[in-house]
Amino acid sequence: EAGVAQSPRYKIIEKRQSVAFWCNPISGHATLYWYQQILGQGPKLLIQFQNNGVVDDSQLPKDRFSAERLKGVDSTLKIQPAKLEDSAVYLCASSLGGQRAQYFGPGTRLLVL
Amino acid sequence: GEDVEQSLFLSVREGDSSVINCTYTDSSSTYLYWYKQEPGAGLQLLTYIFSNMDMKQDQRLTVLLNKKDKHLSLRIADTQTGDSAIYFCAESTEAGNMLTFGGGTRLMVKP
Repeated sequence: EAGVAQSPRYKIIEKRQSVAFWCNPISGHATLYWYQQILGQGPKLLIQFQNNGVVDDSQLPKDRFSAERLKGVDSTLKIQPAKLEDSAVYLCASSLGGQRAQYFGPGTRLLVL
Repeated sequence: GEDVEQSLFLSVREGDSSVINCTYTDSSSTYLYWYKQEPGAGLQLLTYIFSNMDMKQDQRLTVLLNKKDKHLSLRIADTQTGDSAIYFCAESTEAGNMLTFGGGTRLMVKP
């Protein structure tokens, strides 16, 4: 079974630029999550989708971050404009709705200069 | 809010047992997880335990849960150099809900 796929794996941008990350969850997983992992810390949830609806986006900085999952499968996370403190690894995870285990992709490592 | 804490670092010799500890504050935690993260990689789910259990064993891994003290531990028997990684404890309060992670414990296994 294929795991969670993410791209790109690495991205370097200058502050105030825009960037987008893509995630393809495990086939059949209804729930999709985006986490931000700052160096030396554990991941923190940004947003959770159930199919194509948002379940929890309370920790998403909505002035600059946006995310969508239009067809209930793939998802994109966008940052516009980026700040230096957005440098982190952005992890996508998915799970079967109602099941607890979340499976993570390899992450996108973002460096904002 | 919820808080999950772990010690930063653990060093063991190959073949010894490793015990990684975690404490959490949310008494309504329902599920507790251990994830492993190798350099440059995502998080790999190792095991999880329901809050109504006090122990779970899976091959070399043993999870112990003391719900009264809100303490979770992961024991790795016969630790190998390939076990060197960062181990994250995480908790959630209901199925499919957000995970709250600890800061991670870096395990170093010396040959």
